[in-house]
Amino acid sequence: DQQVKQNSPSLSVQEGRISILNCDYTNSMFDYFLWYKKYPAEGPTFLISISSIKDKNEDGRFTVFLNKSAKHLSLHIVPSQPGDSAVYFCAASANRDDKIIFGKGTRLHILP
Amino acid sequence: EPEVTQTPSHQVTQMGQEVILRCVPISNHLYFYWYRQILGQKVEFLVSFYNNEISEKSEIFDDQFSVERPDGSNFTLKIRSTKLEDSAMYFCASIWGGGGNNEQFFGPGTRLTVL
Repeated sequence: DQQVKQNSPSLSVQEGRISILNCDYTNSMFDYFLWYKKYPAEGPTFLISISSIKDKNEDGRFTVFLNKSAKHLSLHIVPSQPGDSAVYFCAASANRDDKIIFGKGTRLHILP
Repeated sequence: EPEVTQTPSHQVTQMGQEVILRCVPISNHLYFYWYRQILGQKVEFLVSFYNNEISEKSEIFDDQFSVERPDGSNFTLKIRSTKLEDSAMYFCASIWGGGGNNEQFFGPGTRLTVL
């Protein structure tokens, strides 16, 4: 039962260009969406979040867009930097202190 | 910056043995969680804990699992009789829960290997 889907297992982007990671969800009860970044042998690190009442949230190089009608969100990283190479998890919860449901992750490679 | 810590970083055990994974959540946080990630799979929710009791648990969290907050700082996950399929990375997380930007902060994980 994949409530949060990341259909691209990997993505390669040239350094300096925009990275766009996509995510779809199925559960209409989700009210809060998050992106986490994970390096090997480390725990997930919070990047950015968005509440369902918004359609965009920006934090420095990272912007998350939410399209509730399409049940779709995306993470934009611009400009992409070598340190951005990691696995990115899309995640969702019914409210802010509820359990998080993770997608399978997208491995982002930033090419020099 | 405050962080969630977990010990040990790697635990190797024999099938059928009991293991206790330890976590120290961020000090003013009120909600605590355990997740696990089997190699190559996604991060899965196990259990949430608030006000000294379990608030929700997944199907994975059967009678072999238990959690405890014994002393107000540690948060432990016990697996009573480990199985081969319990081999995974186990992540502890915590959240303040008091409103505003409330993101779950994750620890570095404990790699559990069951032989």
